[in-house]
Amino acid sequence: QKEVEQNSGPLSVPEGAIASLNCTYSDRVSQSFFWYRQYSGKSPELIMSIYSNGDKEDGRFTAQLNKASQYVSLLIRDSQPSDSATYLCAVYYTGGGNKLTFGTGTQLKVEL
Amino acid sequence: SAVISQKPSRDICQRGTSLTIQCQVDSQVTMMFWYRQQPGQSLTLIATANQGSEATYESGFVIDKFPISRPNLTFSTLTVSNMSPEDSSIYLCSVEIPSAYNEQFFGPGTRLTVL
Repeated sequence: QKEVEQNSGPLSVPEGAIASLNCTYSDRVSQSFFWYRQYSGKSPELIMSIYSNGDKEDGRFTAQLNKASQYVSLLIRDSQPSDSATYLCAVYYTGGGNKLTFGTGTQLKVEL
Repeated sequence: SAVISQKPSRDICQRGTSLTIQCQVDSQVTMMFWYRQQPGQSLTLIATANQGSEATYESGFVIDKFPISRPNLTFSTLTVSNMSPEDSSIYLCSVEIPSAYNEQFFGPGTRLTVL
């Protein structure tokens, strides 16, 4: 099993809809979970961090973490064309070298 | 967060040559990292660069190919040595901001094309 898995997409949603992005991770000592947004030709930008089970909301973004199911998701409400980007899930693992491991990313397209 | 700059932003190099990429951050940080992102791929960690010690390389990356310097808490360099077209990629540095949450922030990247 890959350490961090995401559906590559593209995920297409109409403008104003809720976009739901999902990520699963392997059963290792994981500490922190992150969502990065990457526009084409740009570097990743940290948009959400979550560390404990449950939901964390920041503006139109909600991150959800379920450690029992090894599952983290990102919801984007009222999706805008400017949200079109690749979203990278990252997990910070401790043990065997503390480091951030990235998924392959999900491409989101918000259509007018 | 932190303000991170990289030089050069892009370069086109000939096979067999070397390129040194610089990463500068506006505050002192302990942990700096170098990643590679090949076209259409996700990020792969090359090495962790800690000030005052040797860089720690990930599996598949060696010091002879990717020497790293970390002379102080705000600066690091990555050299891509004896380049081949397979080294064409985006190279990114990142820093971990001291906190309980291990958040990392990325520089703008260096787009390298090897002919």
